[in-house]
Amino acid sequence: NAGVMQNPRHLVRRRGQEARLRCSPMKGHSHVYWYRQLPEEGLKFMVYLQKENIIDESGMPKERFSAEFPKEGPSILRIQQVVRGDSAAYFCASSPGGGVSNQPQHFGDGTRLSIL
Amino acid sequence: GIQVEQSPPDLILQEGANSTLRCNFSDSVNNLQWFHQNPWGQLINLFYIPSGTKQNGRLSATTVATERYSLLYISSSQTTDSGVYFCAVDAGGTSYGKLTFGQGTILTVHP
Repeated sequence: NAGVMQNPRHLVRRRGQEARLRCSPMKGHSHVYWYRQLPEEGLKFMVYLQKENIIDESGMPKERFSAEFPKEGPSILRIQQVVRGDSAAYFCASSPGGGVSNQPQHFGDGTRLSIL
Repeated sequence: GIQVEQSPPDLILQEGANSTLRCNFSDSVNNLQWFHQNPWGQLINLFYIPSGTKQNGRLSATTVATERYSLLYISSSQTTDSGVYFCAVDAGGTSYGKLTFGQGTILTVHP
């Protein structure tokens, strides 16, 4: 997992607050994917971004969730007005080619979000 | 979308035993990866194997793309092998590389 940096590792929020999760991809990677793992489940795709562009957000909940990957700085997954059901592990992955270069995705260690 | 099924869902072994985990997928794939999620929740990338056979120490994997399945072999299992093993695939085309994960196989290795 070395290379993809996620922070914080653990985040506790109260219902109604905002949660911001950060992901810095591996050096040289410009494609970022976010996945969510609910308790006792597998990982589910949320959103795919390239620098300054959202390419595929078909897995994102329609409300309260947003993602960005600015020209400078990490990718951010933002959850507004958190609810208990948002408690999960959120993983970020990066790749050099976004599925066209037949390269594996490299995952960070995840952010464990707990909602009180 | 593409479906990924893993079997068995749970597996209990004594240390030293061998095991085979299976991943079936419903369509052709560009990418297939095997992961081990350890008890601390970290996802460890085991293999990138859209086709063929690879080996890494006590672990090996084989993907038969034409028959839409992949196998992960663990030999001489150790307690540190415990955790959840996930198979994930990229269907290609307009999937943009996003991975679809199976539900995982929970492996417990007893000393």
